[in-house]
Amino acid sequence: DADVTQTPRNRITKTGKRIMLECSQTKGHDRMYWYRQDPGLGLRLIYYSFDVKDINKGEISDGYSVSRQAQAKFSLSLESAIPNQTALYFCATSDLGGQITGELFFGEGSRLTVL
Amino acid sequence: AQSVTQLDSQVPVFEEAPVELRCNYSSSVSVYLFWYVQYPNQGLQLLLKYLSGSTLVKGINGFEAEFNKSQTSFHLRKPSVHISDTAEYFCAVSKRVTGGGNKLTFGTGTQLKVEL
Repeated sequence: DADVTQTPRNRITKTGKRIMLECSQTKGHDRMYWYRQDPGLGLRLIYYSFDVKDINKGEISDGYSVSRQAQAKFSLSLESAIPNQTALYFCATSDLGGQITGELFFGEGSRLTVL
Repeated sequence: AQSVTQLDSQVPVFEEAPVELRCNYSSSVSVYLFWYVQYPNQGLQLLLKYLSGSTLVKGINGFEAEFNKSQTSFHLRKPSVHISDTAEYFCAVSKRVTGGGNKLTFGTGTQLKVEL
């Protein structure tokens, strides 16, 4: 089984719908991240969390919210999806050392299409 | 200002040929540098990293990269590529930010396509 698991792997939805992407990890890491990948733009940070009580906005948080339900679970929500949120979303984790050095462990991605 | 620049969006190369994927960064402070690889339909995985010490770092699958502080570059190289190296490669920079902690910024990626 993967250390970082994302569900769903693929989702097609309509404009205005609420969508939740879930991430769970078995690595025991405190730090969790949500990134968005768009062709030609690389990965951009949406939100990150250093522990259950800590949530921080990344560079593109507008239109998204997150919930850290437990150390191992970090979900990303789109309250009212719009077409320009069509992208590949990645969850990642790191321990304290990784947060400093930049070594992240990624899930396999959730492909979201908003029609 | 862009922190990480990968000028080549696509690099085609024949199998067994050498390859270099270019990465330049902009920073006036010390940074940590990384290359991540993304195989088709998979997440990213760490290929190699430069934290300190020797400027030539070796990673998995025969890849290596050289940190050049004067040219602010961290180019990725492999002397002989294989079909299985076909993937997208991301350069990333981690640097300290105001308020503490480090921020990891990714480049836009380079698609390496290895052909027979």
